[in-house]
Amino acid sequence: DVKVTQSSRYLVKRTGEKVFLECVQDMDHENMFWYRQDPGLGLRLIYFSYDVKMKEKGDIPEGYSVSREKKERFSLILESASTNQTSMYLCASSTSSGRNNQPQHFGDGTRLSIL
Amino acid sequence: QQQVKQSPQSLIVQKGGISIINCAYENTAFDYFPWYQQFPGKGPALLIAIRPDVSEKKEGRFTISFNKSAKQFSLHIMDSQPGDSATYFCAASKRYTGFQKLVFGTGTRLLVSP
Repeated sequence: DVKVTQSSRYLVKRTGEKVFLECVQDMDHENMFWYRQDPGLGLRLIYFSYDVKMKEKGDIPEGYSVSREKKERFSLILESASTNQTSMYLCASSTSSGRNNQPQHFGDGTRLSIL
Repeated sequence: QQQVKQSPQSLIVQKGGISIINCAYENTAFDYFPWYQQFPGKGPALLIAIRPDVSEKKEGRFTISFNKSAKQFSLHIMDSQPGDSATYFCAASKRYTGFQKLVFGTGTRLLVSP
């Protein structure tokens, strides 16, 4: 079974802090994604990566950056946390091999509160 | 701008009833339409998916109906059970350098009453 592990379930930080959210997958997947989930807005893509050291902006990248130094690990960075970044953050991974339309496998999320 | 519109926002169905969730999209380049199911405290998980070359796909009690001309698709849960209580997200995607880049709907919170 694919396992996507997010390092923290709950995180509380202060405005202006630099925040790191970590995600690790154990299935050698090429693709990794960061979403934020907000009530009434669904899941919105922040950044994704289709290979080590490769990254692409998603739909809402402002205020975020990412790092993918190793295939299994994808980090989301809030450069200077703001209260409007309080949200649930979800990491996902998928493979590019095999048949088309491989599913994305999600972690259980990190609920981040910025005070 | 929401590329995939989902309704209703919440739904209460009695045990044994049929749950219906609807989604509509605008981008005709979308070629893959999955539904994800999310239980409280867990990440979403793929439930069922359809490509636009078929009008219906059924897996157990779950059916996707797809209307290409209307750019709409829906999830039907037959004989709904309390264990189906969860949030459901429709999504749409087009292929992007070897994988599907998903656009999600806003979600429907389903409660199946005993």
